[in-house]
Amino acid sequence: EAQVTQNPRYLITVTGKKLTVTCSQNMNHEYMSWYRQDPGLGLRQIYYSMNVEVTDKGDVPEGYKVSRKEKRNFPLILESPSPNQTSLYFCASSLSPPRSGEDTQYFGPGTRLTVL
Amino acid sequence: GDSVTQMEGPVTLSEEAFLTINCTYTATGYPSLFWYVQYPGEGLQLLLKATKADDKGSNKGFEATYRKETTSFHLEKGSVQVSDSAVYFCALYSSASKIIFGSGTRLSIRP
Repeated sequence: EAQVTQNPRYLITVTGKKLTVTCSQNMNHEYMSWYRQDPGLGLRQIYYSMNVEVTDKGDVPEGYKVSRKEKRNFPLILESPSPNQTSLYFCASSLSPPRSGEDTQYFGPGTRLTVL
Repeated sequence: GDSVTQMEGPVTLSEEAFLTINCTYTATGYPSLFWYVQYPGEGLQLLLKATKADDKGSNKGFEATYRKETTSFHLEKGSVQVSDSAVYFCALYSSASKIIFGSGTRLSIRP
């Protein structure tokens, strides 16, 4: 089954404690992306990756890091989480970058992060 | 920069009512336009899309027409069901390889 998986689904942590949220897709997609969803703001893009070893900042990259060492995995790293990073996070993937919208984006189930 | 504005919710309707969720956009060029749906506890799913002016996207009884003259992409359904209760996001794919989402509209359907 084609899917995007994220782990963990729920995480409560404290300020300053490094954490990683994993994202994996089994569709051999080249394009992957991370979003955060906050009430009244919709989804905002954090980082995206065009392919292995190719990553770029989205609209709200501050406080986040990513890596793309393998095609299927795109982990999101919070080196020193702060309470304003409390949010619902989604990973997504598609065969190619969404320039024309021809390729459907597949979203993971989400990770709800709380930073105390 | 590019942006998407959609009507604020929540929207509450009775079953079989007519639904319209407004969406307007600001963008350079002619972006592709999308509606995504998010059911409770799940990620977003593509509902429908339109890639050029006057295109009509449709799926599961929902429709939206790409109106260049009014820069709009309103979502409509003639007769909603309880199972349509979800959050709906309008989005555009910009020329900068970015996806811009609206703030989302929560729809609740009463039996």
